Amino acid sequence: AAGVIQSPRHLIKEKRETATLKCYPIPRHDTVYWYQQGPGQDPQFLISFYEKMQSDKGSIPDRFSAQQFSDYHSELNMSSLELGDSALYFCASSHPLRGPNNEQFFGPGTRLTVL
Amino acid sequence: SQQGEEDPQALSIQEGENATMNCSYKTSINNLQWYRQNSGRGLVHLILIRSNEREKHSGRLRVTLDTSKKSSSLLITASRAADTASYFCATDPDSGGGADGLTFGKGTHLIIQP
Repeated sequence: AAGVIQSPRHLIKEKRETATLKCYPIPRHDTVYWYQQGPGQDPQFLISFYEKMQSDKGSIPDRFSAQQFSDYHSELNMSSLELGDSALYFCASSHPLRGPNNEQFFGPGTRLTVL
Repeated sequence: SQQGEEDPQALSIQEGENATMNCSYKTSINNLQWYRQNSGRGLVHLILIRSNEREKHSGRLRVTLDTSKKSSSLLITASRAADTASYFCATDPDSGGGADGLTFGKGTHLIIQP
């Protein structure tokens, strides 16, 4: 079965640079979520999109922005990178017809290292 | 303390024994989900229990939910070395909205000794 695809899988950037992470949800899933997991930490919710509109917002820094495109893939744009942004970034998708008890299917993550 | 506190933080048991992990949360929820994560890898969904359910089984997994105490437990029976991983509970808030982000607990690191 198709899973959530994230690219790149690994990314190394310098401080103050920008980064763009991409997420391709499971086919027919139109809801996408982004999470950040620091070393030894639990995942923290950043932001979600439903039908290309922002749906819920968590602890996403102002330096980050995200959007969902017409094909439902999503991109997380990160600017003025800081050392503390080094983390594993997960994307998850869910199917709307399951209602409020949506199971979120997680991608393999993008490991961002900021030097 | 944060939503989704888990205990113990680390658990080491012998293969074949049962492992129990607990999770507490603070707000009203639609459901509570348990995930597994191998070191530095992706999150694997294990089981979802709705707020109107009290117990759910899936293979060697048994999850309970007590909404009056805002707590849940995950039991893994007949543990195997391959069960070694971190286990997280995550709550889906009852906010009335859609596409809500999950709130994860701190996780329990489970080690199964062969």
